[in-house]
Parts: sequence; structure tokens; C-alpha cells
Amino acid sequence: DAGITQSPRHKVTETGTPVTLRCHQTENHRYMYWYRQDPGHGLRLIHYSYGVKDTDKGEVSDGYSVSRSKTEDFLLTLESATSSQTSVYFCAISEGTFRVSYEQYFGPGTRLTVT
Amino acid sequence: RKEVEQDPGPFNVPEGATVAFNCTYSNSASQSFFWYRQDCRKEPKLLMSVYSSGNEDGRFTAQLNRASQYISLLIRDSKLSDSATYLCVVNSNNFNKFYFGSGTKLNVKP
Repeated sequence: DAGITQSPRHKVTETGTPVTLRCHQTENHRYMYWYRQDPGHGLRLIHYSYGVKDTDKGEVSDGYSVSRSKTEDFLLTLESATSSQTSVYFCAISEGTFRVSYEQYFGPGTRLTVT
Repeated sequence: RKEVEQDPGPFNVPEGATVAFNCTYSNSASQSFFWYRQDCRKEPKLLMSVYSSGNEDGRFTAQLNRASQYISLLIRDSKLSDSATYLCVVNSNNFNKFYFGSGTKLNVKP
């Protein structure tokens, strides 16, 4: 299995509080991704990174920010959590280059509940 | 219109059956295609990549039809352990940005 960990694995928080989720990889892959998974929607891309300090938005980026200061870590921050952000969050990595895509490998997920 | 569409199922089949899933995609420029398997409350795991010429891995066969913009997954001799949700994944114009289908649920019954 690819070396990807996510922390925390479960979190319950209140509306309006900031939340940071962490993804850590030991594979030295260039690309890292944050997805959310909700019933009926499948996995939707929030943000992704193609290198240290290089990030871009996905299809559901509103209300989320990311940072990547080291190759191995990709942080997802909910600046002010809302109930609509209750979801399962998956981190993924890929060794793709700018012109070649490769498969992604996923972390175990973080279950976030916003009350 | 969604980038990737799949029949959500569920497909309920007996052990030993052959079952096929299709997935359609909207971006004709897509170059990379994958099938993932996801068990309940677990992360998606790569099942197989889909190559232009089609490819087979044991009981699993994947096919790509670029003209009609769909990919398929065939599972032969279904096992109880094949019960899961199967996700179709396609890349966008950005080679390393991907779209996922909502998944097709398979239940294999004894």
C-alpha cells in the first residue's frame, strides 16, 4: 500500500470553527489531492497540488484553502466550518508529471461532522 | 452534464455470474482512464488502468471505446468478495486532474 496517512481520522466540530486536515505521504509523489465524498455525488475534487507551494482549485473549492510547504504534507483548511461541509474527505497522491498522468492512491479518509 | 456518468445500480448477481458496467465521459480529449473499487466506508483502491487496446487482469477485463466515449468493466465468475462499489475515473484536459463517476454498486449473492 502507498504510504499515505490522514489526520485526524474522525472529527466533530461546531459551525463557525476553523478546521485543518492533514495528509502526509512517504512516496515523494509530485501530485497531491483533496476530495470530498458525499452520497449521490461520488468523489469531488476540492484542491490539488502539483508541487511545493503550487496549488490549484478543483470543482468544489469554495470555503476551503490548502497549503503545501513540503513535498510530503498537504493541508486542507476549512476557514469557518459549515454543516454543508460534513463529509468524508480523502487525500490522494500521484506520481504524474505535467504531461503524463498516472493512477492515484488514496489515504484512509477523514470523517468530518459539523454540528 | 456530468463529466463522468455511471449507472448507480445496484447490480445484484449470483456467484459465478458475469457482470458488465459501463461508464460514459464527456471530454473527448481525455487520455487516462481507470477503474477503482471502493468497499463500504473505505478508501477507493485502484482496480485497473484502461488502455486503448483493452486489458485483462484475471477475471477482470476493461475496454475503451473512444468513438462513443465510454469505458467498460467486465467481471467474470463473480465472487462474494467482488461485492463493492466500482468507480470510473477519467482525466481532464489537465493530465493530472481527474473526474470520478458516482460509482456502480455490485452485490454478489451466494
